[in-house]
Amino acid sequence: AQTVTQSQPEMSVQEAETVTLSCTYDTSESDYYLFWYKQPPSRQMILVIRQEAYKQQNATENRFSVNFQKAAKSFSLKISDSQLGDAAMYFCAYRSAYSGAGSYQLTFGKGTKLSVIP
Amino acid sequence: EAGVTQSPTHLIKTRGQQATLRCSPISGHTSVYWYQQALGLGLQFLLWYDEGEERNRGNFPPRFSGRQFPNYSSELNVNALELEDSALYLCASSFGGGTYGYTFGSGTRLTVV
Repeated sequence: AQTVTQSQPEMSVQEAETVTLSCTYDTSESDYYLFWYKQPPSRQMILVIRQEAYKQQNATENRFSVNFQKAAKSFSLKISDSQLGDAAMYFCAYRSAYSGAGSYQLTFGKGTKLSVIP
Repeated sequence: EAGVTQSPTHLIKTRGQQATLRCSPISGHTSVYWYQQALGLGLQFLLWYDEGEERNRGNFPPRFSGRQFPNYSSELNVNALELEDSALYLCASSFGGGTYGYTFGSGTRLTVV
C-alpha cells in the first residue's frame, strides 16, 4: 500500500514571500499521479496542482509550482508571492495510474497548516 | 456548473443512532468517493462508488455502508454510531478514474454525543 508523509504539521510565511511545503511518498509503482489540495476554513478541498509521474517537467499553476523528484519520492509545493488567501491546510495526495479496484482512490498525507503573516 | 453538494451541513446524533449523509456529484461524473476527516488523522478513504456499484472500501467496519443511485448521487449510512465517528465526512466526484483529481464537496460535520 502506498503512504504519503507530510513532515511539517504547521508552517508560516510572510505575505509576499515564498514558502515550500514538503511531501514524500512510498510506492513500488512506476506510474502514478500526485496532487496538492488546499482546504481553507470553508472546508472544501480545492485542487491546487497535479503532476504525472512519467513527466519529468515540474507542474506549474500561476504562483504554485512543484519540485518533483521521482527517485527520491519527493513532491514539494512552492508558493510564491504568498497572499493572505493562501492560508489553509495543504494536503499532498497520491493516486496509482494502474487500473484495479484498489487504485482509483486518492491516498492523502496528514496535511500542513499554512499561516500567512501580514 | 453546480459543484459537488452535500447535505446536511451539520448533523448531531446520539450514540447508537444511525446517520445518513447525502452527496450529489457534478453533472457527468459517475464516480463518488467518501472520506472521513477526523481531527488529527487526515483524510481516510471510506468508500468508492462507480456506475451504481461499490468498487472499493477502506478499512472501516461494516456499519459504514452506502449506495449510489441511478442519477449517480450517493448516500453514506453509519449505523450504531460511536463517539469516535464524530468527524467531517467529505464526498468527492470524478469523471472516469479521476486521473485529473477529484472535485470535493464542503462536507457534513457529524457530531455524536
